[in-house]
Amino acid sequence: GAVVSQHPSWVICKSGTSVKIECRSLDFQATTMFWYRQFPKQSLMLMATSNEGSKATYEQGVEKDKFLINHASLTLSTLTVTSAHPEDSSFYICSARPGRLSTGELFFGEGSRLTVL
Amino acid sequence: AQTVTQSQPEMSVQEAETVTLSCTYDTSESDYYLFWYKQPPSRQMILVIRQEAYKQQNATENRFSVNFQKAAKSFSLKISDSQLGDAAMYFCALSNTGNQFYFGTGTSLTVIP
Repeated sequence: GAVVSQHPSWVICKSGTSVKIECRSLDFQATTMFWYRQFPKQSLMLMATSNEGSKATYEQGVEKDKFLINHASLTLSTLTVTSAHPEDSSFYICSARPGRLSTGELFFGEGSRLTVL
Repeated sequence: AQTVTQSQPEMSVQEAETVTLSCTYDTSESDYYLFWYKQPPSRQMILVIRQEAYKQQNATENRFSVNFQKAAKSFSLKISDSQLGDAAMYFCALSNTGNQFYFGTGTSLTVIP
């Protein structure tokens, strides 16, 4: 199946700093990628839809200035958590789907655990 | 609006036994996909099984099978001959033609040796 790679898998940063998480589709082109946030023992919460060459679409309640998304190429989307605070600590997961409803499923990255001190 | 409901936050099963995880959904569309994803302690989301709504035949993948009841909007997952490696969070998901994905709240499965 398709492979999505996410980096870094975990990161610790100081409060006030910015952190960038990369999501790459390794063997397919992804015009759309999705960014999720997951709290312990909870479901995935869609944060935003990343669109190649255009602005991301953010879900209600997600601060677009806090969570910057860039999708500059068909294989790379980045999520930057700006001026991170302890409440931003979470597990962030990206996903992508090859083609439009090819077989339907999303392929997920390995996830990135962010801890803000 | 599309919704996915998993009414069992936690389930347990004896090793080698069979367990069924429940999922109901709601959608106004006629063309959609249903999925079960597994999230083990590593947190990597893994596709377990996929069902196209237009197919009447229930999908099967080795020890995993679904009971897809379209009229009732039900999509349960049956795990046969449960193994210790099956212990994980299981998420039911719905994908529609609008390129959107909807997840249930998950069921935590414990496999008892």
